[in-house]
Amino acid sequence: DAKTTQPTSMDCAEGRAANLPCNHSTISGNEYVYWYRQIHSQGPQYIIHGLKNNETNEMASLIITEDRKSSTLILPHATLRDTAVYYCIVRVKGYGQNFVFGPGTRLSVLP
Amino acid sequence: EPEVTQTPSHQVTQMGQEVILRCVPISNHLYFYWYRQILGQKVEFLVSFYNNEISEKSEIFDDQFSVERPDGSNFTLKIRSTKLEDSAMYFCASRTGGNYNEQFFGPGTRLTVL
Repeated sequence: DAKTTQPTSMDCAEGRAANLPCNHSTISGNEYVYWYRQIHSQGPQYIIHGLKNNETNEMASLIITEDRKSSTLILPHATLRDTAVYYCIVRVKGYGQNFVFGPGTRLSVLP
Repeated sequence: EPEVTQTPSHQVTQMGQEVILRCVPISNHLYFYWYRQILGQKVEFLVSFYNNEISEKSEIFDDQFSVERPDGSNFTLKIRSTKLEDSAMYFCASRTGGNYNEQFFGPGTRLTVL
């Protein structure tokens, strides 16, 4: 699996967009980028995933560069409840494979 | 919205005792997983289960661990003889079949081994 690199921590002001970067320079053509988050010690929560096109859902947007070597998760209007550890995971879609979690980015949304 | 549920939320046990952690995956899901997270550390994969058998397991999942789907709804993780280092949050996850790989996680069981 491709390795991902994320900043250890980031701050964001409440109401502003939070942009969380992820580098995955060794990603292969059939690997998807998944984003999860973990609030305190709760179970990881699925946010979004994509292959090469930008994706948007009710929680966030995912922007993947054209060369697919990096991506950015965007929370358009961060709230205090978005304070969490955010994980970027690269994985082949399907086949029941497990996720490998790195240390992630600790996002602090500040009032 | 369907959710993965886990019981108990907190389990305290003595070293050497057996524990069973229970999970009810989302009803139409076919792939089931256990992960654990030691306090302050990363989420680690333990085992995946499909079609009533283990499909993949990590080095952590040694002979002390076993999984079972005893009926159509429950998915259990058994630790035969707990050690102090088994203290962790244990998360169950499930996903549908086919080409969708989003796994949905339960709230976890905090296991404390004394």
